[in-house]
Amino acid sequence: EAGVAQSPRYKIIEKRQSVAFWCNPISGHATLYWYQQILGQGPKLLIQFQNNGVVDDSQLPKDRFSAERLKGVDSTLKIQPAKLEDSAVYLCASSLGGQGSEKLFFGSGTQLSVL
Amino acid sequence: GNSVTQMEGPVTLSEEAFLTINCTYTATGYPSLFWYVQYPGEGLQLLLKATKADDKGSNKGFEATYRKETTSFHLEKGSVQVSDSAVYFCALSGATNKLIFGTGTLLAVQP
Repeated sequence: EAGVAQSPRYKIIEKRQSVAFWCNPISGHATLYWYQQILGQGPKLLIQFQNNGVVDDSQLPKDRFSAERLKGVDSTLKIQPAKLEDSAVYLCASSLGGQGSEKLFFGSGTQLSVL
Repeated sequence: GNSVTQMEGPVTLSEEAFLTINCTYTATGYPSLFWYVQYPGEGLQLLLKATKADDKGSNKGFEATYRKETTSFHLEKGSVQVSDSAVYFCALSGATNKLIFGTGTLLAVQP
């Protein structure tokens, strides 16, 4: 079975530029998550979708970050404008139904460097 | 709010040594508890989980027991191998499957 696909793998931008990340979850998975992992820290949830609706975006910096999940499948996470502190690995994950004990499947992540 | 605290690394062991990585949590209700592992150059993957008190999760020789009385979920393995070198994350999840991770513990196993 194909895993969670993310692109690009690496991205280097200057501060105040914009950037977008793409995620294709496992086929049939209703729930999609975007996590931010800063070096030396555990992943932090940015946003959780159930199909194409938002379940939780309480930790998404909405003044600069946006995300969408069109048609309940692929998702895009955008940062505009980027700040130095946005340098991190952005992880996409998916799960079948979104229940509390479910296993999450993670992509390999996009490593963002903001200079 | 919910949170996870795990021991800081790096943890350096010789092959066949006994491993313990401590994890404690703070949560309302009855969360599910997880250990995820990140091998070098790979994405996070689930290692084991436990969904209720006194449950023991196990996989690949690793074990962890859900201890509600001590709010702990320590990871153990009796004999580590070089191939176990990775970053290990303790995590919890409430009803909405919002995973909250600890900071991760780097394990380095030397031959």
